[in-house]
Amino acid sequence: EPEVTQTPSHQVTQMGQEVILRCVPISNHLYFYWYRQILGQKVEFLVSFYNNEISEKSEIFDDQFSVERPDGSNFTLKIRSTKLEDSAMYFCASRTGQGSYEQYFGPGTRLTVT
Amino acid sequence: QKEVEQDPGPLSVPEGAIVSLNCTYSNSAFQYFMWYRQYSRKGPELLMYTYSSGNKEDGRFTAQVDKSSKYISLFIRDSQPSDSATYLCAMEGYNNNDMRFGAGTRLTVKP
Repeated sequence: EPEVTQTPSHQVTQMGQEVILRCVPISNHLYFYWYRQILGQKVEFLVSFYNNEISEKSEIFDDQFSVERPDGSNFTLKIRSTKLEDSAMYFCASRTGQGSYEQYFGPGTRLTVT
Repeated sequence: QKEVEQDPGPLSVPEGAIVSLNCTYSNSAFQYFMWYRQYSRKGPELLMYTYSSGNKEDGRFTAQVDKSSKYISLFIRDSQPSDSATYLCAMEGYNNNDMRFGAGTRLTVKP
């Protein structure tokens, strides 16, 4: 069964460093998403991406964040200068197309900023 | 007022009990309503969805949406220890591009 994969499973970085979180969505999916979940808190929408551009972004997704689909399979989230408060689980999700509501989530990347 | 409110629990029930999980919301633009199950340190997994008001049943699970009250529910019948997880309600508008989650309710079903 196809699934969303994410790498790495755990990333430790120092404050101020840049990190890139990687996702491989399900191959025939067209819509891609990033969410984050700070430990003990709710899952929060960050950004949605379709047709090589951002469709929606939340207030969390500021200039420190960017997304890219560099090739036909990967979808990345970059944090330019990490802060302590960026420590969280980051989930990638994808869905097939318009009219399909079901988002499939990856297992997440745990980001720890020290 | 938070956009989506959900009692985080924890909720503990004996095996076989009927479980009722609920969320309220404030944004009348929400049209699609989902319930996700999340095991510890895993990604959310879609359990149920409903579009607009109404009921939907799938096996032991029933989802209800009352848009007039801005209230959604998930019922689990004959609960099993394997149902122990965090249950997240989620909802989004017509554009399907900015899903909002509740805080999640942690459920434990005791054998």
